[in-house]
Amino acid sequence: AQRVTQPEKLLSVFKGAPVELKCNYSYSGSPELFWYVQYSRQRLQLLLRHISRESIKGFTADLNKGETSFHLKKPFAQEEDSAMYYCALSGVASGTYKYIFGTGTRLKVLA
Amino acid sequence: GAGVSQSPRYKVAKRGQDVALRCDPISGHVSLFWYQQALGQGPEFLTYFQNEAQLDKSGLPSDRFFAERPEGSVSTLKIQRTQQEDSAVYLCASSLAPGLAGGSGQFFGPGTRLTVL
Repeated sequence: AQRVTQPEKLLSVFKGAPVELKCNYSYSGSPELFWYVQYSRQRLQLLLRHISRESIKGFTADLNKGETSFHLKKPFAQEEDSAMYYCALSGVASGTYKYIFGTGTRLKVLA
Repeated sequence: GAGVSQSPRYKVAKRGQDVALRCDPISGHVSLFWYQQALGQGPEFLTYFQNEAQLDKSGLPSDRFFAERPEGSVSTLKIQRTQQEDSAVYLCASSLAPGLAGGSGQFFGPGTRLTVL
């Protein structure tokens, strides 16, 4: 079965501290992994794609096929990072490239 | 337009009423998806269009849910005889190409929050 697990509903860190939002997946084949972010009163927006291997707003995520994980990391959290973060999976095995989302992690960065 | 738009943004319906939710995708985007997001959950797939063809409707929860995209652009999600369990945010997303390789992922609209009393 295809599934995305985000074990933490809420993660609170202090400004300047490192952040790691966990994402594990279950998928048959080669998945594409994404992180989406939703700031307060805004729409879901793409943060990272694993195939891009880029860093956006200081965030990075590495696909670990052995551990089936795609954790999101940032070395120094900022208050403006406070938002809801969703990990999503897609790929040809899903048939239509639909996304399978995790339940999301709310990140609160405290001053 | 600058992005995916949805209307109405909020809809309150009495149980048993029919509702219609509209999605305007980004111009030129071939693929269009509908998702349902219940409170405290991640979005869940409902249905997928490639141009005007509905290629996947495996996520529609019952035959009360119907979606169309007759001209390959605007899409409408219709829910007949609404029930309280239909209360959720309904998200529309579009993407440029059917596959993801070389694309830029799905672009989401702001959603329609449906409340069924």
